[in-house]
Formats: sequence, C-alpha cells, structure tokens
Amino acid sequence: AQTVTQSQPEMSVQEAETVTLSCTYDTSESNYYLFWYKQPPSRQMILVIRQEAYKQQNATENRFSVNFQKAAKSFSLKISDSQLGDTAMYFCAFIVGTYKYIFGTGTRLKVLA
Amino acid sequence: DADVTQTPRNRITKTGKRIMLECSQTKGHDRMYWYRQDPGLGLQLIYYSFDVKDINKGEISDGYSVSRQAQAKFSLSLESAIPNQTALYFCATRPSGTGELFFGEGSRLTVL
Repeated sequence: AQTVTQSQPEMSVQEAETVTLSCTYDTSESNYYLFWYKQPPSRQMILVIRQEAYKQQNATENRFSVNFQKAAKSFSLKISDSQLGDTAMYFCAFIVGTYKYIFGTGTRLKVLA
Repeated sequence: DADVTQTPRNRITKTGKRIMLECSQTKGHDRMYWYRQDPGLGLQLIYYSFDVKDINKGEISDGYSVSRQAQAKFSLSLESAIPNQTALYFCATRPSGTGELFFGEGSRLTVL
C-alpha cells in the first residue's frame, strides 16, 4: 500500500528558531513527486515546496528546505528563522502515476512569540 | 481574485437535502479534483476529471456525484446529505505534466 506517515501530530517552535517536520512514505514506484503543503487558519492549502524523486539535490524555497532520503523514503521539512505566519497545519504528500496523490494526516505547527 | 474559486464557502444544511458545491478555475488546467478533509484524516479523493468527458471515482465516492460542465467548472453534489458528510471540501486543479495541485479556499459543509 502507498502511504504517508507524519509521526508528529503537533509541534511548537520559538520565533526565529529552526524546526524540522518529519515525513516518511511508502511506494514501490521509482519516479514520483513529493510535496509539503501548508494550511493556515484561513484553511486554503498552499504549496510550500516540492521535490522530484529523480533529483538528488534537496529542494529549497527561501526559509524552507527539505531533506530527501530516497532510499529511506524520508522527506522532512526544515523551516529556518520561524515566523508567526508559519503557524499552520503542514501536510506531506506524494503523487504516483497520473492522478493519485497520497496525503499524510498533518502536523500542526505553532510558532511562539 | 482566486484562481480556483469554490462556492459556497460555508453551508449548513439538514439531513436529506440536496447540496451542490461548485468550483470554477481560471488557470486553464485540464485536471480537476474534489477532496474531502476530516480532522486527523488528511485529504481523501472523492472524484477527479481529466477533461469534460473523463470523470473518475476516487476512494470515497459513495454518496457523491460530480458534473464537469466545462473545462473550467467542476461541481460536486450530495444527493441526500447525511451528518457524516460534514467536512471541509476542497476543489483542486492540476496542469498536465507537473505534479502540483492548486487548491480552492475550501467549502465547509455541516449536515445537521
């Protein structure tokens, strides 16, 4: 079965500190995309970062970066210099094939002032 | 204006009523999706469509139907709403050739 596991239901971090959200997944495919989506209290799902599985280089978007370990099927998200606006639910997901996205159950992150 | 627009944003209805959630997009994407979000369960796929003549069931399609009226419009219907369909519903689009989903702002449905 294809699954995504986010083992940290809730996390908190002090403003300006760094936090890492964990994600592991399971698939027998070799080619796929991985994503982190953010869902703030406004509830819209917003793409934070994406990674193509065939690329060894870890993706980076400003303060957000990933640690992609393909062999270990791990895809963690690091948020540097955390800001109050980073408070949100974060979902890890991947897509295999033409349509099927698999989402994790989310990690609720609270940034403390 | 949002690229993916969902209406209504919030709706309260009663058991047995017919409900339609509408989605329209200005992104020009062929692929459209309806997801349901429940607390602690992530997102579950209800239906997806690759074009106006191609509609497919997702993992939780029972009790739901959809209509792809045009490339830009994809509606989700609950023919006879029941309380366990209370959830947050998302429409999403995706261009061919990339993996990213673009989400609407969600429609919160409460069935009493």
